[in-house]
Amino acid sequence: GQQVMQIPQYQHVQEGEDFTTYCNSSTTLSNIQWYKQRPGGHPVFLIQLVKSGEVKKQKRLTFQFGEAKKNSSLHITATQTTDVGTYFCAGPGQNSWGKLQFGAGTQVVVTP
Amino acid sequence: EPEVTQTPSHQVTQMGQEVILRCVPISNHLYFYWYRQILGQKVEFLVSFYNNEISEKSEIFDDQFSVERPDGSNFTLKIRSTKLEDSAMYFCASSSGTSHSPLHFGNGTRLTVT
Repeated sequence: GQQVMQIPQYQHVQEGEDFTTYCNSSTTLSNIQWYKQRPGGHPVFLIQLVKSGEVKKQKRLTFQFGEAKKNSSLHITATQTTDVGTYFCAGPGQNSWGKLQFGAGTQVVVTP
Repeated sequence: EPEVTQTPSHQVTQMGQEVILRCVPISNHLYFYWYRQILGQKVEFLVSFYNNEISEKSEIFDDQFSVERPDGSNFTLKIRSTKLEDSAMYFCASSSGTSHSPLHFGNGTRLTVT
């Protein structure tokens, strides 16, 4: 069945540094969504990418959808303590209408 | 900003008991979901619901589980004969209805089965 994989599982970052988290799907996706979950919180929608090769920016966050629509990345520049949390990518389930298949997430820890 | 609300925030139950988790989706949303997250793990799809019926369910969502929209606002998840492995955070979510539109999650109900 379809799998959505994320690497790395954990990311320790010094405040001010940049990092990237990667998402790969075993199948082509019609779109990909990114969510952020703060410790003890619930997933919060960040962005959706639809087009092949699409790049979207939200302040210090840059999201990219691969040309083949099977992978995506999230790059954060100048990490701040407010970036702490787990970042999940999620894609529609194969032959699915309403199901989102979440990756395992990248847990980000920021050291001041 | 409208939000999805869930009650209770924490439910402790004994193995074998039935629990009902409650959710009030965003009022103009048409599609409703239950997801669960075992501590430290990924968010897993359970079921989606539209037009008063289940539109899709995962292999996790077996006969032990059921969903209902008893009135115009509430959306419930019933778990019968709870097992220890049902302990998890259960998130309700809703979306506006366009294909694969973003999910708005509630704060979750932490279910602890003892």
